[in-house]
Amino acid sequence: EPEVTQTPSHQVTQMGQEVILRCVPISNHLYFYWYRQILGQKVEFLVSFYNNEISEKSEIFDDQFSVERPDGSNFTLKIRSTKLEDSAMYFCASRPGLAKYEQYFGPGTRLTVT
Amino acid sequence: TQLLEQSPQFLSIQEGENLTVYCNSSSVFSSLQWYRQEPGEGPVLLVTVVTGGEVKKLKRLTFQFGDARKDSSLHITAAQPGDTGLYLCAGGWIAGGTSYGKLTFGQGTILTVHP
Repeated sequence: EPEVTQTPSHQVTQMGQEVILRCVPISNHLYFYWYRQILGQKVEFLVSFYNNEISEKSEIFDDQFSVERPDGSNFTLKIRSTKLEDSAMYFCASRPGLAKYEQYFGPGTRLTVT
Repeated sequence: TQLLEQSPQFLSIQEGENLTVYCNSSSVFSSLQWYRQEPGEGPVLLVTVVTGGEVKKLKRLTFQFGDARKDSSLHITAAQPGDTGLYLCAGGWIAGGTSYGKLTFGQGTILTVHP
């Protein structure tokens, strides 16, 4: 069964460094999302991406964040200058299309900023 | 801001008992999804309900979407130790040109089923 994959599973970085989290959504899905979950807290929406552009973003998704779909398969989240409070699990999700509501999540990348 | 309140936060029961988890909001959602999440892993989709009043069954799990599409429940019959885990509800909103399906999550229910 097709699934969303994410790499790396765990990323440790120093404060101020740039990180890129990678995702391969399910093939033929049209909508892509990033969420994050700080330890012990709710899963929070960051951004949605459709038709090669950001369609919606949350207040968390400030200028330090960017997303890109560089080719037909990868979907990346870049954090330009990481802060301690960026430490969290980051999940990628994809949705088939307009009339389909189901979102399928990847296994996540645990980002630790030291 | 759309909020989802999930209750109870913790549930500890004996094998064979029934239980219900509730998810409530003052906002209307286009869809309501239930996920199960294991520690250190991503949420795994259990079911999506879309129509007000809709009921879906998945083996011993029964999911219901409220008539007004503001609330949902998950009922487990004859719980088993294998049901132990974190259950999340998530409301989705799709509105042409303004919202593209972002999910608002509840805080989750940690279920423990004792043998």
